[in-house]
Amino acid sequence: DGGITQSPKYLFRKEGQNVTLSCEQNLNHDAMYWYRQDPGQGLRLIYYSQIVNDFQKGDIAEGYSVSREKKESFPLTVTSAQKNPTAFYLCASSPGLAGGDTQYFGPGTRLTVL
Amino acid sequence: AQSVTQLDSHVSVSEGTPVLLRCNYSSSYSPSLFWYVQHPNKGLQLLLKYTSAATLVKGINGFEAEFKKSETSFHLTKPSAHMSDAAEYFCVVSGVGGSYIPTFGRGTSLIVHP
Repeated sequence: DGGITQSPKYLFRKEGQNVTLSCEQNLNHDAMYWYRQDPGQGLRLIYYSQIVNDFQKGDIAEGYSVSREKKESFPLTVTSAQKNPTAFYLCASSPGLAGGDTQYFGPGTRLTVL
Repeated sequence: AQSVTQLDSHVSVSEGTPVLLRCNYSSSYSPSLFWYVQHPNKGLQLLLKYTSAATLVKGINGFEAEFKKSETSFHLTKPSAHMSDAAEYFCVVSGVGGSYIPTFGRGTSLIVHP
């Protein structure tokens, strides 16, 4: 089956720790995205990547880092510099970055800071 | 620049009655417009999209939306609500020739009463 997988589904972090969220897709899509979702705020873009070894900051990149070493993988690291990381994180992919391209979303990772 | 406004944060209907979720957009270019649905603690799923073809777009599960350029609107409708329609709905705009990064509305929570 083609799709996007995210792991883990739930993640708990102590203050001061870095954690990495996994995102993998087998849709052969060029573009991948990370979003943060908080209640009542919709989806806010953290980072996106159009192609391997290239990525761009979104609206709320501070305290986060990404890599795109393989086409199918786009992991997100939440660093200790992110002051309020408790949120639902969604990964998405699309064929490219054309305006009409549909985004396909993973099931999400819920991160909680203890 | 592009932006999208979902005019209602919550919409409450009775099962079997019509659904109307409102979305206005602004875009300097010919936009692509999307509606996605999110069930609790899940990823987003595409309901329908408009990309400059027919202005009345039919989607999955009986939903449809009409692109009205003069009103800069893309409202989502369904003739008869079902309990399973209860979810969060997001209107999204992306530009052709403009900003390709999708811009999300804040979401509308659809509540369906028996």
